Amino acid sequence: GQQLNQSPQSMFIQEGEDVSMNCTSSSIFNTWLWYKQDPGEGPVLLIALYKAGELTSNGRLTAQFGITRKDSFLNISASIPSDVGIYFCAGQGSGYSTLTFGKGTMLLVSP
Amino acid sequence: ETGVTQTPRHLVMGMTNKKSLKCEQHLGHNAMYWYKQSAKKPLELMFVYSLEERVENNSVPSRFSPECPNSSHLFLHLHTLQPEDSALYLCASSQDASLRTDTQYFGPGTRLTVL
Repeated sequence: GQQLNQSPQSMFIQEGEDVSMNCTSSSIFNTWLWYKQDPGEGPVLLIALYKAGELTSNGRLTAQFGITRKDSFLNISASIPSDVGIYFCAGQGSGYSTLTFGKGTMLLVSP
Repeated sequence: ETGVTQTPRHLVMGMTNKKSLKCEQHLGHNAMYWYKQSAKKPLELMFVYSLEERVENNSVPSRFSPECPNSSHLFLHLHTLQPEDSALYLCASSQDASLRTDTQYFGPGTRLTVL
């Protein structure tokens, strides 16, 4: 089946630093999604990307849909302590239920 | 109530118990999903319902039995589970599972522990 390689697995940064994480796939996806999950909660959608090359921002977050449709990255600028959590990428193919998740990037921000 | 809600939030059960997880979505969506989230593993899709019909069952053991009585409610009935079934069970909903631009929204999950 389809698999996503998400990196890095974890990051420990200082408040104010910028963060970058990415996902790559051996398969083409039609949609890339980025979610954040806080402890004890479900994933919350951050950004959805629907076109190859698309660059979308949501506040301090920016994500891009790779031109090859096999990768995506998420940048967080000027990190703050509440950015702490696990960030998941997810790729969606065609048809039903083809949302494939990465293993997540755990982000820790030191004040 | 807004979004996707799940009850209970925490559940501890023995291997011989029967219990049910409940999910309710208040978004007017037509598709609902069950996922299993285990430590250090990607989210695993278990079941998909579109307009109350099951459209996918990803080789899930029969001790997990889903039920979708209407487009707003989804249940996961549990029977004779194993300790390795302990995980966070997440429910999600989306507008239309067949749309390319469809996006899934998640509930807070039920933390299940099987003793």
